[in-house]
Amino acid sequence: DAKTTQPNSMESNEEEPVHLPCNHSTISGTDYIHWYRQLPSQGPEYVIHGLTSNVNNRMASLAIAEDRKSSTLILHRATLRDAAVYYCILRSNYQLIWGAGTKLIIKP
Amino acid sequence: DSGVTQTPKHLITATGQRVTLRCSPRSGDLSVYWYQQSLDQGLQFLIQYYNGEERAKGNILERFSAQQFPDLHSELNLSSLELGDSALYFCASSVNPGDSYEQYFGPGTRLTVT
Repeated sequence: DAKTTQPNSMESNEEEPVHLPCNHSTISGTDYIHWYRQLPSQGPEYVIHGLTSNVNNRMASLAIAEDRKSSTLILHRATLRDAAVYYCILRSNYQLIWGAGTKLIIKP
Repeated sequence: DSGVTQTPKHLITATGQRVTLRCSPRSGDLSVYWYQQSLDQGLQFLIQYYNGEERAKGNILERFSAQQFPDLHSELNLSSLELGDSALYFCASSVNPGDSYEQYFGPGTRLTVT
């Protein structure tokens, strides 16, 4: 099963952009890349997903490397409410493989 | 509020017992997923249902079972409980089971086995 690798934690200043990296070197051609985040004491929340092309939505942008072996979640202007654990997940054949996630700390 | 509801919120029980966790998906969603999250760990996918049928299975123990009913709500049954089963159990739903569809998560049920 394809797996993801993320930094354990990252820090960023409030109102600055944040780039959260994810490596998935064994990704297959049919694997979708999904990002979810989990705020303290809450269930995970969908952020964004993509297959090959970069994607944008109201929450974030997803930049996917040309070889698809890595991706980056971009929060354009982090706020204190963005402090959470961010999970990079590969989905294929109905299987969902969650990594350990990156704990994002936002400094005021 | 994701629209996914889970009951109960908290459950405390003893080893060897059996419990049932309940999940109601968002209106219109046909697919339900169950996850286990142990303390300070990521989510482990347990099982997925689509319109009443099992669609995918993850690391679900034989002591655990699940089903999705005609009204699309789902139940996760945990039996012969052990201390290690203490965890947060999340249910999620999506409109379609396909890999390109996002999931919406409920608030979770916290199970404590003593």
